[in-house]
Amino acid sequence: AQTVTQSQPEMSVQEAETVTLSCTYDTSESDYYLFWYKQPPSRQMILVIRQEAYKQQNATENRFSVNFQKAAKSFSLKISDSQLGDAAMYFCAFAQGGSEKLVFGKGTKLTVNP
Amino acid sequence: DAGITQSPRHKVTETGTPVTLRCHQTENHRYMYWYRQDPGHGLRLIHYSYGVKDTDKGEVSDGYSVSRSKTEDFLLTLESATSSQTSVYFCAISAKATPRQPQHFGDGTRLSIL
Repeated sequence: AQTVTQSQPEMSVQEAETVTLSCTYDTSESDYYLFWYKQPPSRQMILVIRQEAYKQQNATENRFSVNFQKAAKSFSLKISDSQLGDAAMYFCAFAQGGSEKLVFGKGTKLTVNP
Repeated sequence: DAGITQSPRHKVTETGTPVTLRCHQTENHRYMYWYRQDPGHGLRLIHYSYGVKDTDKGEVSDGYSVSRSKTEDFLLTLESATSSQTSVYFCAISAKATPRQPQHFGDGTRLSIL
């Protein structure tokens, strides 16, 4: 079974600085997708960024980018120019290609200090 | 935002009582999911549906049942609630059974069982 590990229960960053959240996963499959979801205090689950395993290029969405290291099974999220609104729980998630099921990590709580 | 409504938003009930949570979508998506979120566990899949009257178990299905009599509604039932089922419950939807179509989440239902 696939597993997703987020080793940092909590992280903090100063406003305007850069922070990297870690995620590792375990799978024997070659076709899969990885996601980062953001959950602010409002409790919404918001998709931040997605990476397809067969794509070598790292995904980027504005201030959010990933460092996808397929051989190391690592999928970290980098947030540049951190803003107060980035404060949230961040969940890394895995889905096998052709499957609708998501497997989530336990989450990292990000605090942004003014 | 995807049209997903979860009801109720909050509920407090007693051990041994039946509880039904409702997820209603206006997107006409085929796939619907129920997750529970607990501290230290991230989100875990309870049940999912791949069409009207077609459902299957997820990772933590014991003690839960689901029904889907029409495309827009997916019900989660706790036949006899226990304190271990105190959690935040999320509904999600997706158009297809592929991670290329990311899941979109409702705002969650906070359920407390005393």
